[in-house]
Amino acid sequence: DVKVTQSSRYLVKRTGEKVFLECVQDMDHENMFWYRQDPGLGLRLIYFSYDVKMKEKGDIPEGYSVSREKKERFSLILESASTNQTSMYLCASSFEGGIAREQYFGPGTRLTVT
Amino acid sequence: QQQVKQSPQSLIVQKGGISIINCAYENTAFDYFPWYQQFPGKGPALLIAIRPDVSEKKEGRFTISFNKSAKQFSLHIMDSQPGDSATYFCAAENTGGFKTIFGAGTRLFVKA
Repeated sequence: DVKVTQSSRYLVKRTGEKVFLECVQDMDHENMFWYRQDPGLGLRLIYFSYDVKMKEKGDIPEGYSVSREKKERFSLILESASTNQTSMYLCASSFEGGIAREQYFGPGTRLTVT
Repeated sequence: QQQVKQSPQSLIVQKGGISIINCAYENTAFDYFPWYQQFPGKGPALLIAIRPDVSEKKEGRFTISFNKSAKQFSLHIMDSQPGDSATYFCAAENTGGFKTIFGAGTRLFVKA
């Protein structure tokens, strides 16, 4: 059973703070993703990674960076948190290859920036 | 070109009724169309998916109908149950790439 875990379920940070969101998957998946989920906007891709140390910008990368030093771990970094980054953040992973392209999601981190 | 438009935003259905959620896309390069189901406090999970070479796919009470010429696809939930109450996301992707484009989501509530 694939498991994707995220370091925190709820997080409250102040404007200007540096924020780290951690994601770990246990299925040796090559691909990992960070999304933010906002009502009425669905899931929007921030960054993804298809291999260790590799990263690609998604649709809304501004204000974020990522790090993937190990295959199982993908970190999202908010260099200087702002109130418009208050959102639900979802991490996902997927296996590269085969027919199915199923993404496995973590439970999410609800971040509030005050 | 990259958008996936989903409707309705919310849906209330009686127990035993049919829930229908519609999605439309623009990019003809999309070749994989999954639906994800999300319960409160959980991440989305794959429910059912279809490729454009078939017009319909059925898994239990869940059916995807696909109209390639109209660039539309829909999810039908037959005999809807209160346990189906969740948010549903349609999505589209080009399997040659990495990005999945998600619709805005439909919040389904099935009345007991």
